[in-house]
Amino acid sequence: NAGVTQTPKFQVLKTGQSMTLQCAQDMNHEYMSWYRQDPGMGLRLIHYSVGAGITDQGEVPNGYNVSRSTTEDFPLRLLSAAPSQTSVYFCASSTRNQPQHFGDGTRLSIL
Amino acid sequence: AQTVTQSQPEMSVQEAETVTLSCTYDTSESDYYLFWYKQPPSRQMILVIRQEAYKQQNATENRFSVNFQKAAKSFSLKISDSQLGDAAMYFCAYRSARVPGTYKYIFGTGTRLKVLA
Repeated sequence: NAGVTQTPKFQVLKTGQSMTLQCAQDMNHEYMSWYRQDPGMGLRLIHYSVGAGITDQGEVPNGYNVSRSTTEDFPLRLLSAAPSQTSVYFCASSTRNQPQHFGDGTRLSIL
Repeated sequence: AQTVTQSQPEMSVQEAETVTLSCTYDTSESDYYLFWYKQPPSRQMILVIRQEAYKQQNATENRFSVNFQKAAKSFSLKISDSQLGDAAMYFCAYRSARVPGTYKYIFGTGTRLKVLA
């Protein structure tokens, strides 16, 4: 049982580049979300989805795009990377009445 | 909007002793969930304990227990018989139960726990 799988684990980008962080879960969870974790600020919600075809913005959505074409996958796209997006990114999934399960995170550095 | 506050950026405890981490939250809702997550240096987010707001009884999981004071909007975590493996960042989190379909979690800024041998 893989749980929540995030790829890649580490990535270095140059300013202006685009990339996609992948997130997949095999637990048939309807709810999936993306967070960023910065020192002293805890986890902040970027985007979330309550089911295939349904997404919504969280607290810090600017510069990020998401889609949810299947229940299993919830990729996060950085459209034009900026140094302010240097962070650790977590994907999580859950059902309505159960706690979130987290992936292992992606450490992203933007030069 | 709901908020979660962890006022202790860092705490230390002697091995085998007891430590309490504080968390307060603000909400106008009456039905919600509260969580404590542990993040060790490996960066994984591990669920420690969960509390449903409608339950008056405080949740316990082995050496971990909470003191849930709904009227005071307080949700502290007590770790008994502290072990070196308890050293980690601890996050308090809130999730509404009243609005089906949102599932938004709100996290505090975390408390770093050091365990001294």
